[in-house]
Amino acid sequence: DAKTTQPTSMDCAEGRAANLPCNHSTISGNEYVYWYRQIHSQGPQYIIHGLKNNETNEMASLIITEDRKSSTLILPHATLRDTAVYYCIVKEAWNNDMRFGAGTRLTVKP
Amino acid sequence: DAMVIQNPRYQVTQFGKPVTLSCSQTLNHNVMYWYQQKSSQAPKLLFHYYDKDFNNEADTPDNFQSRRPNTSFCFLDIRSPGLGDAAMYLCATSRDSTGSNTQYFGPGTRLLVL
Repeated sequence: DAKTTQPTSMDCAEGRAANLPCNHSTISGNEYVYWYRQIHSQGPQYIIHGLKNNETNEMASLIITEDRKSSTLILPHATLRDTAVYYCIVKEAWNNDMRFGAGTRLTVKP
Repeated sequence: DAMVIQNPRYQVTQFGKPVTLSCSQTLNHNVMYWYQQKSSQAPKLLFHYYDKDFNNEADTPDNFQSRRPNTSFCFLDIRSPGLGDAAMYLCATSRDSTGSNTQYFGPGTRLLVL
């Protein structure tokens, strides 16, 4: 599976958009990009995933560059409850191992 | 509505005393997973079941076993817990290995070994 690189930490003001980048320059054509988050002492929560096209759901938007070498997770209006570690993962659908990296610790501040 | 349920949320056991953690799901998913997450680390896959087929990760210690008596339930057995086994244990499910194979996690059971 391709490796991902994410910033260790980020801050965001409450009510503003949070843009979390992820680099996956060695991604292969059949690897999906997944985003999960983990709030302290809870299980990881699925946010969104995509293959080639940009995706949007009730939680977030996922922007994947045309060459698929990087992506950005956008939380349009961050709240204090969005403070969490955000994981970007790339893997093929058939691969059952969700290989979590270190993630980005997002802190939303009042 | 809870979809992946783990009980208990906190479990205390004694060094060397067998312990079982449980997971149930209401999603009717074919695949169930167990991950271990130690403090300040990312989750690490221990094993998974595809229906009744058990798949162990190469580096999962023999001390860890699993049972899946039916589609809805899966158990993690730690035969002789050591202090190093204190961690959060996460159960996850996915429908199958086709399509995007998104995994959905439960809240986790935090294991303390005394």
